[in-house]
Amino acid sequence: GQQVMQIPQYQHVQEGEDFTTYCNSSTTLSNIQWYKQRPGGHPVFLIQLVKSGEVKKQKRLTFQFGEAKKNSSLHITATQTTDVGTYFCAGSGGTSYGKLTFGQGTILTVHP
Amino acid sequence: NAGVTQTPKFQVLKTGQSMTLQCAQDMNHEYMSWYRQDPGMGLRLIHYSVGAGITDQGEVPNGYNVSRSTTEDFPLRLLSAAPSQTSVYFCASSSVRGNTDTQYFGPGTRLTVL
Repeated sequence: GQQVMQIPQYQHVQEGEDFTTYCNSSTTLSNIQWYKQRPGGHPVFLIQLVKSGEVKKQKRLTFQFGEAKKNSSLHITATQTTDVGTYFCAGSGGTSYGKLTFGQGTILTVHP
Repeated sequence: NAGVTQTPKFQVLKTGQSMTLQCAQDMNHEYMSWYRQDPGMGLRLIHYSVGAGITDQGEVPNGYNVSRSTTEDFPLRLLSAAPSQTSVYFCASSSVRGNTDTQYFGPGTRLTVL
């Protein structure tokens, strides 16, 4: 079945440093979504990418979808303590609408 | 709108006990899913439903049953709890409207099986 791998599992940064997490799928995706989960909370939707090579920005967050639609990345510029949490990517194969396969997540710690 | 609600928030069971985790959504979403979250494992799909009366298995369905009699409710039943089912359980809903299958998650149920 479809597998989605995400690296790194953990990332510790000093406030102000950049952060990137990478997501790779074993199969071509119809779309990829990114979620953020604060400690003790539930995952919250950040963004969805659909097109090959798509790049979207949300303030300090930049999301990319690979040309082959099998990989994606989330980059945070100048991290802040409010960025702390776990970032998940989730892929949809397209034929199973509403059924997502999540990556293992990257736990981001930001030291002030 | 309350969004996605889950009860209970916390539960402790003994091995062999059964229980039902409740999930409800008021957004008229067609799709509902149950995930479990374990450290280092991300979110793994247990069961999902594409509409009332229709359910299907996800990645880790063993030991769990679901039913979907209404659009709003999607309960998850543990028939005979095992320590391996200690986890955080999230219910989520999504819709095909707007050409997106964004998942809206409930607050979760933290389950401990002794």
